[in-house]
Amino acid sequence: QKEVEQNSGPLSVPEGAIASLNCTYSDRGSQSFFWYRQYSGKSPELIMSIYSNGDKEDGRFTAQLNKASQYVSLLIRDSQPSDSATYLCAVSPTGGGNKLTFGTGTQLKVEL
Amino acid sequence: DVKVTQSSRYLVKRTGEKVFLECVQDMDHENMFWYRQDPGLGLRLIYFSYDVKMKEKGDIPEGYSVSREKKERFSLILESASTNQTSMYLCASSLGRGDSPLHFGNGTRLTVT
Repeated sequence: QKEVEQNSGPLSVPEGAIASLNCTYSDRGSQSFFWYRQYSGKSPELIMSIYSNGDKEDGRFTAQLNKASQYVSLLIRDSQPSDSATYLCAVSPTGGGNKLTFGTGTQLKVEL
Repeated sequence: DVKVTQSSRYLVKRTGEKVFLECVQDMDHENMFWYRQDPGLGLRLIYFSYDVKMKEKGDIPEGYSVSREKKERFSLILESASTNQTSMYLCASSLGRGDSPLHFGNGTRLTVT
């Protein structure tokens, strides 16, 4: 069973700080990685995708991928109270395909 | 924008009832998925489909079946609902490319009493 591990949190950061969310995965052949944000009672929404080693930036969000270490992270700069949510890491299987494996998510709380 | 629509936001059913959860997507996506989400267990894949009339079991298919008669519609069927099927059910769709992300519907919170 391929696994995706995330710290469940809650991770508390003050407003304006950088939030760092981490994810490790067990399938060495995984090629595609996604971060979803899920507000309480709502469905997951895609915020970032990353496919190559290194950093990918989109506004206040930066995804970081290290395939050798089987590690993917999400940085949120200038955290806002509206960023308070659960962040899900999702990983594709070896060989591609859309049958993603999801982590259980990290709850982020941004405090005023 | 991709729109994935689930027919019901909340459902309450009795044990033993046959339950249909409907999902429609408007972006001509090849792939459609049904997940359930439970606290502490995360998202678990029930069934998925890569094409019309095609289905594959996910990680927890027991007690469920699916139907995909048209490309845009993917139905989840609980043949005889049980209390352990009380959960949030999420439908998703994606393009056929292996690097395509999933787009989720708003979810159906099903309670079986």
